Amino acid sequence: DQQVKQNSPSLSVQEGRISILNCDYTNSMFDYFLWYKKYPAEGPTFLISISSIKDKNEDGRFTVFLNKSAKHLSLHIVPSQPGDSAVYFCAAVDRGSTLGRLYFGRGTQLTVWP
Amino acid sequence: DTGVSQNPRHKITKRGQNVTFRCDPISEHNRLYWYRQTLGQGPEFLTYFQNEAQLEKSRLLSDRFSAERPKGSFSTLEIQRTEQGDSAMYLCASSPGSTGEAFFGQGTRLTVV
Repeated sequence: DQQVKQNSPSLSVQEGRISILNCDYTNSMFDYFLWYKKYPAEGPTFLISISSIKDKNEDGRFTVFLNKSAKHLSLHIVPSQPGDSAVYFCAAVDRGSTLGRLYFGRGTQLTVWP
Repeated sequence: DTGVSQNPRHKITKRGQNVTFRCDPISEHNRLYWYRQTLGQGPEFLTYFQNEAQLEKSRLLSDRFSAERPKGSFSTLEIQRTEQGDSAMYLCASSPGSTGEAFFGQGTRLTVV
């Protein structure tokens, strides 16, 4: 049962333009959402997060938007750079749970071309 | 280096052999997780420790898998009688508590031939 879904397996964007990666979730108990970036043969690296009490969080070129009513979040990267090329995973957690395990989507491969 | 450390980075083993992986979490983190990632999938939860107590195991963790975290410090994941389907990236993550963030190691790539 995939509780976090990333329906676009890949995205190709020109350098300097905006990259928008999307994520949907089904579990209304999720109250914290994270984006991880992963290069081949390495572990995921934490990128940015957002609490369910907010609808936007910004960190430099990265902004995450949360639409709770639609159970949808998106990651915006502006401007995109070739070094951003990686797999991006959306993850969600129910912080009220004593376990704190993350539920991941299947990832979106972002390619930024010059 | 204060990040999560995993060893070995790569392991090739013959089917039927036993393998053991080690994870050293960030020292002040009391939560430790093991995940597994296969091609085209996101990381899938395997098991969770809070200090030395193993509090949850996924149904993905068959009886050939065992994990320990003695004294709430480093953790080991052992796979007995490996099968080709065990080939995957095994990821360890640690977390300071209920903040939500988890920090991952670089993973151990297991190939069963």
